[in-house]
Amino acid sequence: TQLLEQSPQFLSIQEGENLTVYCNSSSVFSSLQWYRQEPGEGPVLLVTVVTGGEVKKLKRLTFQFGDARKDSSLHITAAQPGDTGLYLCAGAGSGAGSYQLTFGKGTKLSVIP
Amino acid sequence: DTGVSQDPRHKITKRGQNVTFRCDPISEHNRLYWYRQTLGQGPEFLTYFQNEAQLEKSRLLSDRFSAERPKGSFSTLEIQRTEQGDSAMYLCASTRIKVRQVLSGANVLTFGAGSRLTVL
Repeated sequence: TQLLEQSPQFLSIQEGENLTVYCNSSSVFSSLQWYRQEPGEGPVLLVTVVTGGEVKKLKRLTFQFGDARKDSSLHITAAQPGDTGLYLCAGAGSGAGSYQLTFGKGTKLSVIP
Repeated sequence: DTGVSQDPRHKITKRGQNVTFRCDPISEHNRLYWYRQTLGQGPEFLTYFQNEAQLEKSRLLSDRFSAERPKGSFSTLEIQRTEQGDSAMYLCASTRIKVRQVLSGANVLTFGAGSRLTVL
């Protein structure tokens, strides 16, 4: 069974601070996706990373895929209250999970104004 | 197209009752997934369809659960004799992909807003 472990599980920070959340696995994924989910809604895709070592930026969000394609990180610069939500990483295309996404448990972020 | 639609958004039922959820995927999407998400957890895979064929079922999908996609368009997920442990958000997602093709970075799953089930 493939597992994606996310850390920290909860994060509460002040507006303007920087933060990094992590997604780790012992399995290799062909791609990894980051989603943000708000209460009562479905996950919304933020980014997909495919190549080992790849870095993608989305405004104040920076995503990195590990060289071995087993881990990823999400860094948020100058967090804003609108960044509050559940951040999920999901791996695709490897082994038993080849036909569906395997999700981590998520990092619940609260940005306090 | 307005995306993936799920109905109902919320369902409260008593233990032992049957419930059915419906998912309408994006019209040109041929693959449809069902996931379950409990409080504080990430979504867990339940099953998926390629057109009308149900190709994979998770061990989480007990005999009380059945999913259909009769015409390869909308799908239903039925839970019989609900238990309190069935309380969760049931998420549907869809994408367009070739038969037997594994998911890759090129395949974006679009999720619906979910159907939240509360079993009393």
